[in-house]
Amino acid sequence: AQSVSQHNHHVILSEAASLELGCNYSYGGTVNLFWYVQYPGQHLQLLLKYFSGDPLVKGIKGFEAEFIKSKFSFNLRKPSVQWSDTAEYFCAPPKYSSASKIIFGSGTRLSIRP
Amino acid sequence: EAGVTQFPSHSVIEKGQTVTLRCDPISGHDNLYWYRRVMGKEIKFLLHFVKESKQDESGMPNNRFLAERTGGTYSTLKVQPAELEDSGVYFCASSQDPRVVETQYFGPGTRLLVL
Repeated sequence: AQSVSQHNHHVILSEAASLELGCNYSYGGTVNLFWYVQYPGQHLQLLLKYFSGDPLVKGIKGFEAEFIKSKFSFNLRKPSVQWSDTAEYFCAPPKYSSASKIIFGSGTRLSIRP
Repeated sequence: EAGVTQFPSHSVIEKGQTVTLRCDPISGHDNLYWYRRVMGKEIKFLLHFVKESKQDESGMPNNRFLAERTGGTYSTLKVQPAELEDSGVYFCASSQDPRVVETQYFGPGTRLLVL
């Protein structure tokens, strides 16, 4: 069975600090990886995705993630965070044989101090 | 275009009572999903409808949970009788093409508290 783990439960940063949130998964097969974000009071929305090709993926709002196959990792990064990045972030690899079920990580709550 | 809507936004009930959650998908989306997040843990898949048929209900926790989607439009998720451990946030999502997971659009969730 596949699983995904996010290492950090709650991260607190000051504005302009750099961010890296860890995500590791544990299955083989076709790898499609996603990061979702839920801003306070808003819906879950897709932040970025990796299907194939360039392992460095650019998403919305200056976020990026790097797929490192040898480490089974897909860490989320942002060089300089803003107060508006305060949200909860979920790593999510879908079931490899079907896209109909999303398996989420436990989530990382990011708090940015203004 | 209206997004996925869920009703109610919050529900507080006592153990043993019944609660029914409703989800209205985006118009034209045949695929409807239920997920839930219990007490700050990970968001877990409950089930997937294609129109009115249950495509995958492998995530339903037990027979106290009943999901329906009569007519293939909105869906309801009934919990009867509710237990303390059912407290959490219940999310609904819909999509047009289940082969592409990024096309799942999520609703705001229903926060359920069982006392």
